[in-house]
Amino acid sequence: DAKTTQPTSMDCAEGRAANLPCNHSTISGNEYVYWYRQIHSQGPQYIIHGLKNNETNEMASLIITEDRKSSTLILPHATLRDTAVYYCIVRSHYGGSQGNLIFGKGTKLSVKP
Amino acid sequence: DAGITQSPRHKVTETGTPVTLRCHQTENHRYMYWYRQDPGHGLRLIHYSYGVKDTDKGEVSDGYSVSRSKTEDFLLTLESATSSQTSVYFCAISIRTDAGYTFGSGTRLTVV
Repeated sequence: DAKTTQPTSMDCAEGRAANLPCNHSTISGNEYVYWYRQIHSQGPQYIIHGLKNNETNEMASLIITEDRKSSTLILPHATLRDTAVYYCIVRSHYGGSQGNLIFGKGTKLSVKP
Repeated sequence: DAGITQSPRHKVTETGTPVTLRCHQTENHRYMYWYRQDPGHGLRLIHYSYGVKDTDKGEVSDGYSVSRSKTEDFLLTLESATSSQTSVYFCAISIRTDAGYTFGSGTRLTVV
């Protein structure tokens, strides 16, 4: 079973911030939160990951709540090219099956002009 | 993506025939993965490799085998293709267990 819960779909206006929520209430202490996205017909693309501190890179910011039971991916200025399915995944960094990426259904983000 | 190539990109095959899909990387990454993606199921892990000759099963491994005889190549074989194996297959690589994965462009396989 998926360890995360995400809304099925969201809309965002071009140029505005897109805030994608994810619930992971059963996350354990050694599990990280990862975000990937998949643009239509392409392979998934890594965006960002974090453990408990907020993280930022050139693509996005990741805000993780203090209790680590939920997180939000922020695309600060969404463009039409950000239209994709966004996957929130929790995984450990240990080797073996515990560390494998298991995808859920994700959130379909539609950025509109 | 640069550094990872899947071949073929498209294939149509008949039920009962063997099929091998190839994933080739030039990044020298230790870990390699095969996923399949189907409508309503999303991406599911088939097999993965954590080094040359070291492989293990994922969540949907039945009907598939893999081999990794050298770092750069990870082969996925359908011994006797069935219509239920019609899917888009993605390969991925990662340098460490805590690193992001880089995915290939996918192979669209149709079994008729």
